[in-house]
Amino acid sequence: DSGVTQTPKHLITATGQRVTLRCSPRSGDLSVYWYQQSLDQGLQFLIHYYNGEERAKGNILERFSAQQFPDLHSELNLSSLELGDSALYFCASSPRWDPQETQYFGPGTRLLVL
Amino acid sequence: GESVGLHLPTLSVQEGDNSIINCAYSNSASDYFIWYKQESGKGPQFIIDIRSNMDKRQGQRVTVLLNKTVKHLSLQIAATQPGDSAVYFCAENGSGNQFYFGTGTSLTVIP
Repeated sequence: DSGVTQTPKHLITATGQRVTLRCSPRSGDLSVYWYQQSLDQGLQFLIHYYNGEERAKGNILERFSAQQFPDLHSELNLSSLELGDSALYFCASSPRWDPQETQYFGPGTRLLVL
Repeated sequence: GESVGLHLPTLSVQEGDNSIINCAYSNSASDYFIWYKQESGKGPQFIIDIRSNMDKRQGQRVTVLLNKTVKHLSLQIAATQPGDSAVYFCAENGSGNQFYFGTGTSLTVIP
């Protein structure tokens, strides 16, 4: 158990809908990273937040957005969902802002868009 | 952009043998590399890391080798056990302060 929690574990929705994925980092960690893992693309970095501020953006679509709240939990919002958005979404946390710190991954949210 | 690739998508080894998982990276400026293990239904788990000023680093039963000349990374697992069966990813800390992950190698340990 990494100490990172993600909810929900599974999510099934329809195309065009909007969903929110939630992540609680390990106690004391200030950084949260979001990743998408699909069968054909492997793990893709989406976005990094540190202490409430966006630090880096990866291959995140404009339909996706994220935020980190004062209590350090983070939410990833996915809108206008398409079939191709079906994937595992992981968040990871680390103590500080440095991406060279070890990142601890949560168990993931499996999203299925029908 | 960066690309991190794996030479073999699957690897089967006998229990007790040593495993070697390879990874090629393309960004010569990358200075930090990590190996992750991902078991079925779980998130990636950190195994070992190495910085570019080193060419070898050892952990418990695992060794990572870095060859910057050919931009190659390998993970060696000694005395492979059934619990080592998983997908292994390498990742490089590339430009933009983000990690780029390989697609993974699936390791199966045969009892």
